[in-house]
Amino acid sequence: KNEVEQSPQNLTAQEGEFITINCSYSVGISALHWLQQHPGGGIVSLFMLSSGKKKHGRLIATINIQEKHSSLHITASHPRDSAVYICAVSTSGTYKYIFGTGTRLKVLA
Amino acid sequence: DVKVTQSSRYLVKRTGEKVFLECVQDMDHENMFWYRQDPGLGLRLIYFSYDVKMKEKGDIPEGYSVSREKKERFSLILESASTNQTSMYLCASSFLPGRERYEQYFGPGTRLTVT
Repeated sequence: KNEVEQSPQNLTAQEGEFITINCSYSVGISALHWLQQHPGGGIVSLFMLSSGKKKHGRLIATINIQEKHSSLHITASHPRDSAVYICAVSTSGTYKYIFGTGTRLKVLA
Repeated sequence: DVKVTQSSRYLVKRTGEKVFLECVQDMDHENMFWYRQDPGLGLRLIYFSYDVKMKEKGDIPEGYSVSREKKERFSLILESASTNQTSMYLCASSFLPGRERYEQYFGPGTRLTVT
């Protein structure tokens, strides 16, 4: 069993829909990261969370430390949100990330 | 803005060639990382470095070596390229944990094809 699990693996939505991507982890963490990768390769860090909730524009990320679970929400989705979304955790005392395998999102116009 | 650059976006090499992939960051980050990304397997750590001339093996170091002679530059070397090293290679950098923000910043990636 992977230490970081994401669901769903693939998601197709219509423009305007509310989208949720989930991430569960089984290790002790110092932080959880949500990353976005557009076709072509480059990865951008969206959020770094250690507790609670963060919001940037239409993106909201939440984390429940007790349940070892995080969600990434996209409100009013748009075709430009089409990308792979990757959950990663930093474990306590190390530099390294443990990655989920990603969620491929396609938003149709 | 943090900038992490990689020497090539696309590279085609022949089996047996020595391949150098270079990564440069401009944020004075201590840590630098090399990953490969393959469909269905996600991102896997090849090597990382936490200081000049210091390196540690990641999860899949076999067939690779690295060099960090200057703080801003981290090179990945494929001593004798093989077809199973065809992949997307991504470099990243970060501050050490203990700083307020230590998330990793990624380069644009190099898609390497070995024929």
